Amino acid sequence: KAGVTQTPRYLIKTRGQQVTLSCSPISGHRSVSWYQQTPGQGLQFLFEYFSETQRNKGNFPGRFSGRQFSNSRSEMNVSTLELGDSALYLCASSEGSGGNQPQHFGDGTRLSIL
Amino acid sequence: DAKTTQPPSMDCAEGRAANLPCNHSTISGNEYVYWYRQIHSQGPQYIIHGLKNNETNEMASLIITEDRKSSTLILPHATLRDTAVYYCIVRHSLNNAGNMLTFGGGTRLMVKP
Repeated sequence: KAGVTQTPRYLIKTRGQQVTLSCSPISGHRSVSWYQQTPGQGLQFLFEYFSETQRNKGNFPGRFSGRQFSNSRSEMNVSTLELGDSALYLCASSEGSGGNQPQHFGDGTRLSIL
Repeated sequence: DAKTTQPPSMDCAEGRAANLPCNHSTISGNEYVYWYRQIHSQGPQYIIHGLKNNETNEMASLIITEDRKSSTLILPHATLRDTAVYYCIVRHSLNNAGNMLTFGGGTRLMVKP
């Protein structure tokens, strides 16, 4: 099976712009979660989608949003970009949401804000 | 989810076993222990998980103490490619618990020749 695929791998934006990141989960996986990783804050949970519904949301401002499509692919959007949004954005997928089902991560999109 | 405590860094000689400890003294009976690792510039890689019993797969072994308050990840024959940050995480076992993982600082394992 192919792993979790995230596109693009690298992205450069300027303050005030918006950006959309894409995640294709492992085939058959219905849950997709997004995380932000920065040197200062480490890995932080953004949100989770399961069967096109957002189930959990981390402590991030409303500028961060996401959605999931019927084929389980997911996108996240960040509007009005700030310098502090520079980070590695990671997507993870799992078959379901039980504690006995591991999540598998992609290699992320590295977003740089100028 | 229960909080975990890990040493910030460890060294291991190539070819020797790497034993990475994790303390999760507030773990509840229905929480799993998960281990992930992250090699520089890559996403976290799932290694292994367990509830009560010890577990082994092709990558590692997980030893959970009888009281479940701590665990040890064992890489039996560490190689230079095992140099990474290792994260110990506890997750609730309920099917509707969601998939939020809470990452701490992890242990930076350096495997040396």
